[in-house]
Amino acid sequence: GQQVMQIPQYQHVQEGEDFTTYCNSSTTLSNIQWYKQRPGGHPVFLIQLVKSGEVKKQKRLTFQFGEAKKNSSLHITATQTTDVGTYFCADLTGTASKLTFGTGTRLQVTL
Amino acid sequence: DTEVTQTPKHLVMGMTNKKSLKCEQHMGHRAMYWYKQKAKKPPELMFVYSYEKLSINESVPSRFSPECPNSSLLNLHLHALQPEDSALYLCASSPRTSGIIGELFFGEGSRLTVL
Repeated sequence: GQQVMQIPQYQHVQEGEDFTTYCNSSTTLSNIQWYKQRPGGHPVFLIQLVKSGEVKKQKRLTFQFGEAKKNSSLHITATQTTDVGTYFCADLTGTASKLTFGTGTRLQVTL
Repeated sequence: DTEVTQTPKHLVMGMTNKKSLKCEQHMGHRAMYWYKQKAKKPPELMFVYSYEKLSINESVPSRFSPECPNSSLLNLHLHALQPEDSALYLCASSPRTSGIIGELFFGEGSRLTVL
C-alpha cells in the first residue's frame, strides 16, 4: 500500500534555529493534513492543505503543498522548546475517511 | 484538553482476559475511528465508523471487536490478546464522513499492556 515518507526521522536543534520536515509520496496526494504529537500525548491537528502549490502560515509555522501534489513541507522559524514533539503529515487519499499517517519527524529543541 | 474522552487511560490485561476500551464525543461528529500506535511509530488505522456503521476494517484480527452503540460512543472489545498488541489505542472523530473529512479530533488514548 501507499506509504508516505517523512524526512528527517529525527532532528535536534538549538532554540532559535529553524526546522523543516518533508513529506514525500510516490503517488499523487489528495489532501494533506499535519499533526503534532507531544511526548506522551495525542496527535493534535495543525492544518489541512488541499490545493496544488498551496502555502499556509500559522505564526512561526509555514506549510506548503507541492505543485505536483506529491510532497509537502512544514517549516518552523525560530524554534522554541514548546515546539518539541513529533510532526506527522497525513494523507487522505483513496477510500473516504481513510487518513494514513506519514512516518513522522521527531523534533528535539534545547536551550 | 480534548473533546474526545477515552477510558481507561491505562489497562493491563492477561492474554485470557476480556476487556473493553471506551470512547465518547459530544461534538455531533458522524465519523469515529480507532487507531493503534506503537512506540516511536505513526498511528495506524484500525476501524472507521460512519453514521454508526462500520465502513473500514483494516484487516484487524478478530480478537479486536469494535462496536458503535450510538453516534456518541465507540467501544473496542478486546479478547485473547497477545503481548505484541500492547500499544496506545487512540480514538478519533471527524465532522464529515467522506470527501474532505476535516480534522480528526483525537482522544488522549488508552495505553494497553498485555502480559
